[in-house]
Amino acid sequence: GENVEQHPSTLSVQEGDSAVIKCTYSDSASNYFPWYKQELGKGPQLIIDIRSNVGEKKDQRIAVTLNKTAKHFSLHITETQPEDSAVYFCAASTGRRALTFGSGTRLQVQP
Amino acid sequence: KAGVTQTPRYLIKTRGQQVTLSCSPISGHRSVSWYQQTPGQGLQFLFEYFSETQRNKGNFPGRFSGRQFSNSRSEMNVSTLELGDSALYLCASKTSGTGQETQYFGPGTRLLVL
Repeated sequence: GENVEQHPSTLSVQEGDSAVIKCTYSDSASNYFPWYKQELGKGPQLIIDIRSNVGEKKDQRIAVTLNKTAKHFSLHITETQPEDSAVYFCAASTGRRALTFGSGTRLQVQP
Repeated sequence: KAGVTQTPRYLIKTRGQQVTLSCSPISGHRSVSWYQQTPGQGLQFLFEYFSETQRNKGNFPGRFSGRQFSNSRSEMNVSTLELGDSALYLCASKTSGTGQETQYFGPGTRLLVL
């Protein structure tokens, strides 16, 4: 089955700095890679996703890059704000199969 | 549109009891998946239902079961509860069971087993 590794497990940045979270996956058949943000007491919320026919996708301060050859994808958050503080999860799937999640990254943005 | 709703939000049970959790997907969504979230194991897939049929199943014991009704609402049941079943149980829905579709999560049901 699919295995997704996520690094780092915790990340502390100063407000305004950039944050990068990296994930690797094992199943070359995976073709869908979403990123979720989970705040305390809430369920995960999709913040951005990328499909295997795209190498990069951007939505305002958030971007995701995908390298299918190396089987890794990354989340980039620029100009971080205190409200970006949360746990972020990457995931991978082949579409019909369930999402396999990474272990999560706790991002703390220091004001 | 209303989001995914889960009831109850919090539950306390004792070992050996059974529990039923409920999930109402976003209107028009026919696929419902269940996940267990714990600090040690993270987010783990339990099962997925689509059109009242179980499509995928994770690696959980038979004590964990689910079903889906004709209106796409889903329930999951855990029998003979163990302490290790304490977790946040998340339900997620999407339009259909195929393709690279966005999956939307509910707020979860936090289960504490004493």
